[in-house]
Amino acid sequence: SQTIHQWPATLVQPVGSPLSLECTVEGTSNPNLYWYRQAAGRGLQLLFYSVGIGQISSEVPQNLSASRPQDRQFILSSKKLLLSDSGFYLCAWSGEKQGAGYEQYFGPGTRLTVT
Amino acid sequence: DQQVKQNSPSLSVQEGRISILNCDYTNSMFDYFLWYKKYPAEGPTFLISISSIKDKNEDGRFTVFLNKSAKHLSLHIVPSQPGDSAVYFCAAAGGTSYGKLTFGQGTILTVHP
Repeated sequence: SQTIHQWPATLVQPVGSPLSLECTVEGTSNPNLYWYRQAAGRGLQLLFYSVGIGQISSEVPQNLSASRPQDRQFILSSKKLLLSDSGFYLCAWSGEKQGAGYEQYFGPGTRLTVT
Repeated sequence: DQQVKQNSPSLSVQEGRISILNCDYTNSMFDYFLWYKKYPAEGPTFLISISSIKDKNEDGRFTVFLNKSAKHLSLHIVPSQPGDSAVYFCAAAGGTSYGKLTFGQGTILTVHP
């Protein structure tokens, strides 16, 4: 069966500090990978998605970047955090490479507080 | 432009009764719809989905109805249980979205014993 891991679970970082959140998937190969953010009281906003190693698409302009150094590893980064980067970050994977509307499966999330 | 809308921020239901969660969409290219359940501080869990070639899909206590002409879908939970209390998100995909999901803002369901 497939498993998705995210770490850390919680993180408190000062403004201006760097960020690195990691996501790994087990039990599948060549997944589509996604990073979402949920701000307080709001829905899920897609930040980045990747259909393969080194292939990253950004959905919204922002202070964050993503990388996919290995097939089942997805990293969310920032060089200098802003207060507005606070939120709940979620990684997800899906197994479909073509077409649209296939189920995504989410990790446990990382709660980031920028102080 | 919010393409998927859940107009009810919250819903309160008595245990054993039916819960009906609603979702509207505007993009006619959407052809696949999903419902997710989310507890606080956890990732969303996939519940049920429906393709636009169907108008109903059932899985145990959960049924999703799709009305394409009205661009509306709903999730019915029967009977509702206290453990169903969570935030429910609808999501949609299709057209050029290439597997990307567009989520609604979520509805907080509270089921009272």
